[in-house]
Amino acid sequence: ELKVEQNPLFLSMQEGKNYTIYCNYSTTSDRLYWYRQDPGKSLESLFVLLSNGAVKQEGRLMASLDTKARLSTLHITAAVHDLSATYFCAVDAPTGGTSYGKLTFGQGTILTVHP
Amino acid sequence: EPEVTQTPSHQVTQMGQEVILRCVPISNHLYFYWYRQILGQKVEFLVSFYNNEISEKSEIFDDQFSVERPDGSNFTLKIRSTKLEDSAMYFCATITGNTEAFFGQGTRLTVV
Repeated sequence: ELKVEQNPLFLSMQEGKNYTIYCNYSTTSDRLYWYRQDPGKSLESLFVLLSNGAVKQEGRLMASLDTKARLSTLHITAAVHDLSATYFCAVDAPTGGTSYGKLTFGQGTILTVHP
Repeated sequence: EPEVTQTPSHQVTQMGQEVILRCVPISNHLYFYWYRQILGQKVEFLVSFYNNEISEKSEIFDDQFSVERPDGSNFTLKIRSTKLEDSAMYFCATITGNTEAFFGQGTRLTVV
């Protein structure tokens, strides 16, 4: 069974600081997603990483994927209050001949950015 | 940009009642999924559907749940007799082949 573990689960940051959220997973996969979720809201797609070594950046967020280490990181640069949300990684690993699309999510990281 | 559309956005139902959640997939997508997120928890896979049949389901997807694509466009999730613990956000996702999965905005189900 695929396991996806994020850490930390809770992250309290000061504005202007940098930090990294880690996502480890237990089986071979070359497809990983990062989502943002605000309280009571839907999933907002941030990044789709589709190959080993993939790196994507959008604003203050940068995501990378190392399929050999089975690790993805979400790096936050110079955090601002608006980044406060829950961040999920999700690994897409087809099983038993099925197609892509069956995602296994991490537990989520609750990020709070303080002034 | 193509999108997956879910209706309703919020449904309140009494315990024991049947509910049907609807999803309109992106038009050329072939694989369909339902996920569930109980408040404060992670998102969990429920079921995958391809070629008009279930291809995989999780332990959560028991006999109270069913899925179908009745008219070739809508993809539905039915809960036959809702329980309090079915209260959650339900997400539909669709994909075609090797493209990325697209999620709908979700339906918040509240069972009272």
